[in-house]
Amino acid sequence: GDSVTQMEGPVTLSEEAFLTINCTYTATGYPSLFWYVQYPGEGLQLLLKATKADDKGSNKGFEATYRKETTSFHLEKGSVQVSDSAVYFCALYSGGGADGLTFGKGTHLIIQP
Amino acid sequence: DAGITQSPRHKVTETGTPVTLRCHQTENHRYMYWYRQDPGHGLRLIHYSYGVKDTDKGEVSDGYSVSRSKTEDFLLTLESATSSQTSVYFCAISQGSNQPQHFGDGTRLSIL
Repeated sequence: GDSVTQMEGPVTLSEEAFLTINCTYTATGYPSLFWYVQYPGEGLQLLLKATKADDKGSNKGFEATYRKETTSFHLEKGSVQVSDSAVYFCALYSGGGADGLTFGKGTHLIIQP
Repeated sequence: DAGITQSPRHKVTETGTPVTLRCHQTENHRYMYWYRQDPGHGLRLIHYSYGVKDTDKGEVSDGYSVSRSKTEDFLLTLESATSSQTSVYFCAISQGSNQPQHFGDGTRLSIL
């Protein structure tokens, strides 16, 4: 079946540091890939997406590139802020089974001033 | 923000009691989903709906049932709650199965 693997953390960085959160996946066919962010006490918000190989999703300074050869969709940001502290989820949709998303376990990011 | 309202937002109940959670949307999206979020597991799909009265099981459907009698409402029922169903429950909606999903703010359910 489908699966998503991501570093769980917590990941602690200083403000203005470079961020990478790794995400790799296993899926049938050509899945669509997503990053969601969850702030404390809230639901998940879509951060960015990519639907085919070599697509780059971007939003709010975050980027991720769909790499089919390495089955990866790593999240990056050049300079993080304290307000980026949250839990980040990598997810995929392959359409191979139930019509829902398959999520990774989430990465807790803490940015220190 | 997508118009999704979950109710109640918090609930504490006892083992063996029935519980119904409600998800209401104002976006007229075809697809609706119920997930549970647990530490160390991320989010896991319980049930989903692809239209009025059209539902199907997800990864962790045992012990749960759903109903969708109107486009805007999707109900999740625990017929006889167990402590293992203590969790945070999220509803999501999407325009299509391969489209991004938009989430509600969640319901924190504690079963004692």
